[in-house]
Amino acid sequence: SQQGEEDPQALSIQEGENATMNCSYKTSINNLQWYRQNSGRGLVHLILIRSNEREKHSGRLRVTLDTSKKSSSLLITASRAADTASYFCATGLTGNQFYFGTGTSLTVIP
Amino acid sequence: DAGVIQSPRHEVTEMGQEVTLRCKPISGHNSLFWYRQTMMRGLELLIYFNNNVPIDDSGMPEDRFSAKMPNASFSTLKIQPSEPRDSAVYFCASSSAGTGHTGELFFGEGSRLTVL
Repeated sequence: SQQGEEDPQALSIQEGENATMNCSYKTSINNLQWYRQNSGRGLVHLILIRSNEREKHSGRLRVTLDTSKKSSSLLITASRAADTASYFCATGLTGNQFYFGTGTSLTVIP
Repeated sequence: DAGVIQSPRHEVTEMGQEVTLRCKPISGHNSLFWYRQTMMRGLELLIYFNNNVPIDDSGMPEDRFSAKMPNASFSTLKIQPSEPRDSAVYFCASSSAGTGHTGELFFGEGSRLTVL
C-alpha cells in the first residue's frame, strides 16, 4: 500500500451488530476519507474528516481521527446485510493526491 | 450527471498487444486520477492530472504505461506492450479540487484487464 492499512482485513458480524474498522497511515495528512466498494463496482465516498477534526458522524457512520497515533476508525452501527462490502480509508496529502489502504472486507450475516 | 464513464468494462488480450483504456470524467471536475487494483497490491495511484496537466506520474510502473488527457472531458491510459502481470482492474476517478471543495473522489466502474 502506498499509504494506509486497514485492520482487520476481514470482518464477519450478525445483522444488527456494530462493525468497527481501523486505518493506520504513515505521514502527515490534510484529511482522511472512507470509501465503500461493493463487489465488482467502483468505490463510493462515505465520509471525510479533516486533520483538525477528531470525530464526525453521518447517519449510521461514525469516524474518529487521532493524528498523534496516525490512525482512524470507522464505526457502522446497527449493521444491515446491505452493508456487506469492502471499506477503504484514503489519506489526502499535499496537493490533491489520495492514497488508499488495503481495505477491510465486511460481511453482515442476515 | 452520468458519473465517471470508463470503457471498456472488460478487456481480454494477449501478451504483447497494446491496450487502451478510456475515461470520461464528470463535467466540471478539474482533477482526474488513474488507479490500479489488484488483490496483492490493493489500490495503487498511477497518475493524476489537474486541469489536464499531469501532476504526478510517479506511480506509473514502467515506460510501457502512458496516460494522456487531451481535454477536460477525456483521458486515456495506454499499455504497450501488455504483460500478464498488468492484469488488474483499472479505475478512473475525478474530483473538484480547490478552495471550498472537499476533494471527494468519484470513481468509474472500472476496466477489468486480463492479459493472457
